[in-house]
Amino acid sequence: QKEVEQNSGPLSVPEGAIASLNCTYSDRGSQSFFWYRQYSGKSPELIMFIYSNGDKEDGRFTAQLNKASQYVSLLIRDSQPSDSATYLCAVMGGSYIPTFGRGTSLIVHP
Amino acid sequence: ETGVTQTPRHLVMGMTNKKSLKCEQHLGHNAMYWYKQSAKKPLELMFVYNFKEQTENNSVPSRFSPECPNSSHLFLHLHTLQPEDSALYLCASSPPAAARYTDTQYFGPGTRLTVL
Repeated sequence: QKEVEQNSGPLSVPEGAIASLNCTYSDRGSQSFFWYRQYSGKSPELIMFIYSNGDKEDGRFTAQLNKASQYVSLLIRDSQPSDSATYLCAVMGGSYIPTFGRGTSLIVHP
Repeated sequence: ETGVTQTPRHLVMGMTNKKSLKCEQHLGHNAMYWYKQSAKKPLELMFVYNFKEQTENNSVPSRFSPECPNSSHLFLHLHTLQPEDSALYLCASSPPAAARYTDTQYFGPGTRLTVL
């Protein structure tokens, strides 16, 4: 059984701080890792993907991957109230079908 | 907008009703998916279609019946549902397999289903 674990939160951070969202996965054969953002009542929206060990930056977002530790994280710098949402981690291997975690609820308070 | 549309956006039905959910994508994708999202639970994959052929059926009860007439359209036929089937039903599509490591699923807005 492939598992993707995320702390459900909520993670509460002040505006302007760095929000750190974490995800672990069980399948060592996983090759691609995705972060989705889901606002309340809306569908998931892809914000980043990563497939190589290390960091990948896109604007205020940085994805970090450590395959040896089976760990992927998302950092959001200069957090804004509009970043308040649930963040879903998804992991994909050779089946090309991602496995999703439960999501972490992020609250950015002014 | 992701290019994936779903209708209806909201649906209330009784346990004896028959209804259908519709999904349409104009992204040129060849794979389409149905997911169920209940409160406090991860996204649950229900069905996968590749080039109109069903490749995954995740032990879904027979009261849910998918149909994929072509690569752009996907339906989910519902009959004799239970109150615990109330959830957000999401359709997604994805490009050919070679591109999926970097360009994964695009979700529709979902259908909020309530079964009375």
